[in-house]
Amino acid sequence: ELKVEQNPLFLSMQEGKNYTIYCNYSTTSDRLYWYRQDPGKSLESLFVLLSNGAVKQEGRLMASLDTKARLSTLHITAAVHDLSATYFCAVDIGGSNYQLIWGAGTKLIIKP
Amino acid sequence: DADVTQTPRNRITKTGKRIMLECSQTKGHDRMYWYRQDPGLGLRLIYYSFDVKDINKGEISDGYSVSRQAQAKFSLSLESAIPNQTALYFCATSAPGDTQYFGPGTRLTVL
Repeated sequence: ELKVEQNPLFLSMQEGKNYTIYCNYSTTSDRLYWYRQDPGKSLESLFVLLSNGAVKQEGRLMASLDTKARLSTLHITAAVHDLSATYFCAVDIGGSNYQLIWGAGTKLIIKP
Repeated sequence: DADVTQTPRNRITKTGKRIMLECSQTKGHDRMYWYRQDPGLGLRLIYYSFDVKDINKGEISDGYSVSRQAQAKFSLSLESAIPNQTALYFCATSAPGDTQYFGPGTRLTVL
């Protein structure tokens, strides 16, 4: 069974701290996506990682992909309250049927 | 204007009723998707369509049907709604191999 596991599922942290969210997946894939969802809102695309070793950065967020380890990380540097949200990773299983397999999401709360 | 729109945004209905959720997109993508979101379960794919004549079942298609009326329109129907179909429903669209763009969601409550 194809699985995408995120951890932690819930994270409460103080402003100014650094932390990493992990996304492990059980099948071969070289394409992974990160999304952000604010409470009661839609999903917003953050990063598209298309190959082994890919690294993308936007502000205080940095995402990376290690296809050999089947692992992606989303690193938060010097967290600020505005980054409070739920973060999802999704893995493209490839083939002719393009589908994303989603992690359960990591709810991040950043306290002032 | 939003690239992906969904109507209605909120809907309360009774068990056994038929309802339709509609999705329109202006991004010009061929690929469209319907997802369901339940707390703590992430997103689950209901149906997806790669073009007007290509419709496929996703992970949880039982109890749902879809119609792709045009490249820009993809509707989801619940033929006979039941309470465990209470959820947040998202429509999304994408180009091949690209990220998916999501609509604002429809919050459905089945009493």
